[in-house]
Amino acid sequence: QPVLTQPPSASGTPGQRVIISCSGSSSNIGSNTVNWYQQLPGTAPKLLIYSTNQRPSGVPDRFSGSKSGTSASLAISGLQSEDEADYYCAAWDGSLSMYVFGTGTKVTVL
Amino acid sequence: QVQLQESGPGLVKPSETLSLTCSVSGGSINSNSYYWGWIRQPPGKGLEWIGSISYTGSTYYSPSFKSRGTMSADKSKNQFSLRLNSVTAADTAVYYCARRDGRDGYHMFDYWGQGTLVTVSS
Repeated sequence: QPVLTQPPSASGTPGQRVIISCSGSSSNIGSNTVNWYQQLPGTAPKLLIYSTNQRPSGVPDRFSGSKSGTSASLAISGLQSEDEADYYCAAWDGSLSMYVFGTGTKVTVL
Repeated sequence: QVQLQESGPGLVKPSETLSLTCSVSGGSINSNSYYWGWIRQPPGKGLEWIGSISYTGSTYYSPSFKSRGTMSADKSKNQFSLRLNSVTAADTAVYYCARRDGRDGYHMFDYWGQGTLVTVSS
């Protein structure tokens, strides 16, 4: 079962800012970088943020990541309809010796 | 542009072995810059890491799959594979193969296959 906890859902109107939280522990988020993946309906996940706050080439700067202690956050600024997707945080867990994913958050654009 | 493509049976009987292959194009699995991994997603549920394999053939498994899973690589075909023994209905999922950055501390999967649905049923 997932060891990173996310809210099941988040929503906003176009143009709004949405923040998704990811809660972990000292063995994962607390001591390793965090990645975020976006999964559009019916498609494979796509790397959105790596190393906590870095965007791969092609990812709009509307997406940003941060972390504090054992929690991380993904912020989506200027929400757009195409941002409707599931979002997953992930990190290496040194105690479990495994890559762990968050529970996932479904973002809805109202 | 790196592309990954999963292949294998879409239906496996309970207690049998699930076998999947990931074909990589646009890049070599023999590169020391990357690892190659498997992630699965049961219908309507979240993502679960199964394990990863390095260019040297070293393997790393989630504790949940260590006893049942085996990963291997065929450098001549630029493919890597997953075998999962003694499957049950709980192993029904979309299975993804993906490329992982090989640098220490960079555990992100930057390229993914489209995924293949494997159903375990008699």
